[in-house]
Amino acid sequence: QKEVEQDPGPLSVPEGAIVSLNCTYSNSAFQYFMWYRQYSRKGPELLMYTYSSGNKEDGRFTAQVDKSSKYISLFIRDSQPSDSATYLCAMNSGGYQKVTFGIGTKLQVIP
Amino acid sequence: GAVVSQHPSRVICKSGTSVKIECRSLDFQATTMFWYRQFPKQSLMLMATSNEGSKATYEQGVEKDKFLINHASLTLSTLTVTSAHPEDSSFYICSGTTEGTEAFFGQGTRLTVV
Repeated sequence: QKEVEQDPGPLSVPEGAIVSLNCTYSNSAFQYFMWYRQYSRKGPELLMYTYSSGNKEDGRFTAQVDKSSKYISLFIRDSQPSDSATYLCAMNSGGYQKVTFGIGTKLQVIP
Repeated sequence: GAVVSQHPSRVICKSGTSVKIECRSLDFQATTMFWYRQFPKQSLMLMATSNEGSKATYEQGVEKDKFLINHASLTLSTLTVTSAHPEDSSFYICSGTTEGTEAFFGQGTRLTVV
């Protein structure tokens, strides 16, 4: 079993839809959770960074962490074609610790 | 967010030659740099972790004599792929962090060895 499981997709949604992206993990030591957006042939761009359980909102993006279920989510409201990219979840147990990535979910927002 | 500049973005080299990839943190001091490689349709695989002024720590299965990492300053880390072979062709990405919080990635380098 992988430490972090993420559905690779692809996920296609119409413009304006609410997108839900998810990851599950098995390592209970993970405390820091991140979502990255990666466009083709580019390095990942940090979208959200959260610590422990709870919600965090930034513009159209909301990150949720449920440590009891070992489940994290990223919601994108009012999705735009420019949101089309691969979204990677990532997590680690603390500062300077190795970050473990999900495989990434490829999202396509159709105009 | 903080900026990590990585170059070259793309390089093609002949088998047996060496290639150097640079990563610079432009607006923060990266006390720790991570180097990853990413194969198509796969996630990022950590190759090594380097702290400024110290030797890099390599992940299991990564040849330290083949992938030379130098982190001589708080704003510059380099990865040199020595005696490159076609199987080394991949997407290499660095990321930097300060104070062990969120990591910021470079733009990546696509290496093709012919």
